[in-house]
Amino acid sequence: GNSVTQMEGPVTLSEEAFLTINCTYTATGYPSLFWYVQYPGEGLQLLLKATKADDKGSNKGFEATYRKETTSFHLEKGSVQVSDSAVYFCALRPSGGSYIPTFGRGTSLIVHP
Amino acid sequence: IAGITQAPTSQILAAGRRMTLRCTQDMRHNAMYWYRQDLGLGLRLIHYSNTAGTTGKGEVPDGYSVSRANTDDFPLTLASAVPSQTSVYFCASSPGISGTYEQYFGPGTRLTVT
Repeated sequence: GNSVTQMEGPVTLSEEAFLTINCTYTATGYPSLFWYVQYPGEGLQLLLKATKADDKGSNKGFEATYRKETTSFHLEKGSVQVSDSAVYFCALRPSGGSYIPTFGRGTSLIVHP
Repeated sequence: IAGITQAPTSQILAAGRRMTLRCTQDMRHNAMYWYRQDLGLGLRLIHYSNTAGTTGKGEVPDGYSVSRANTDDFPLTLASAVPSQTSVYFCASSPGISGTYEQYFGPGTRLTVT
């Protein structure tokens, strides 16, 4: 079956540090890949997505590139802010079959001033 | 404001009681989903509906039921609540079932079963 593995947290950084959250996946075919963010007390919201190999999704300074050869979709940001503190979820959606999304377990990011 | 609403925001429920969590979207999305979120386990799919009139079972459907009488509403019912159903429940929707569609999430319902 499909699966998504992301690095365990929490990830703790100082403001303006570089962020990487690793995400790898297992799926047949060519799934679409997503990063969602969940701020405290809220539901998930889409951060960025990529729908085919070598696509780069970007939003709010975050980027992730769809790497088919390494089945990865790592999230990066050059300079984090305190307001980026949240839980980040990597997810895939299959290109066929039931189309049911699969989520990673989430990575908590804590940014200190 | 377009989006997904869930009710109640939070609830404390005695074990054995019946409870319906409500979910309404105004985006005319075809697909809807119910997830539970537990610490360390991420999001787990309970039930889903690809279009009005159809439903399917997710990863953890036992003890839960859903209906999809129309496009906008997707209620989740716990027939006889048990403490292990203590969780935060999220409803989500997407425009369709194509793999490129992202999901839109509601604010969640925090349920405690005592």
